[in-house]
Amino acid sequence: KAGVTQTPRYLIKTRGQQVTLSCSPISGHRSVSWYQQTPGQGLQFLFEYFSETQRNKGNFPGRFSGRQFSNSRSEMNVSTLELGDSALYLCASRDSYNEQFFGPGTRLTVL
Amino acid sequence: GESVGLHLPTLSVQEGDNSIINCAYSNSASDYFIWYKQESGKGPQFIIDIRSNMDKRQGQRVTVLLNKTVKHLSLQIAATQPGDSAVYFCAASAPTGSARQLTFGSGTQLTVLP
Repeated sequence: KAGVTQTPRYLIKTRGQQVTLSCSPISGHRSVSWYQQTPGQGLQFLFEYFSETQRNKGNFPGRFSGRQFSNSRSEMNVSTLELGDSALYLCASRDSYNEQFFGPGTRLTVL
Repeated sequence: GESVGLHLPTLSVQEGDNSIINCAYSNSASDYFIWYKQESGKGPQFIIDIRSNMDKRQGQRVTVLLNKTVKHLSLQIAATQPGDSAVYFCAASAPTGSARQLTFGSGTQLTVLP
């Protein structure tokens, strides 16, 4: 089985712009979660989608949003980018209740 | 809310020695725990997990110990190898309504010395 894939792998944006990141889960996995990873804050949970519905949400501002499609692929969007949004954004999918498989991440740099 | 902390941000061990990485969690409702390994430029990789009804679980060269009384878990790596050099995260999973939330520790950088 192919693993979790994320596109693009690297992205450079400027403040005020918006960005959309994409995640394709492992085939058959219906749950997709997104995380932000920074050196200072570590791994922080953004949100989880299951069967096209947001099931859980972390403590991030409304500029961060996501969605999931019927094929379980997911996108996350960040609007009005700030310098502090520079991070590695990780997507994880799972089939069973708990074990998650992570993708390689998208490295976002905001200038 | 849940917080998960690691006792040491960095750990250096000699090749062949055993490594022990510790982690503390705060939410007593956490009932599932996972250790991840993250190599540079890659996403976290599942190593081993343990449910709260167990206090020890062994894998290949790795053992996780869980002490629910003091809300502490540890990852032991036997005969540490250069390929074990990475950042190790613990994560605690707790039910939140109909879903579950995974809270990660800040990570320990393990360096294996030749």
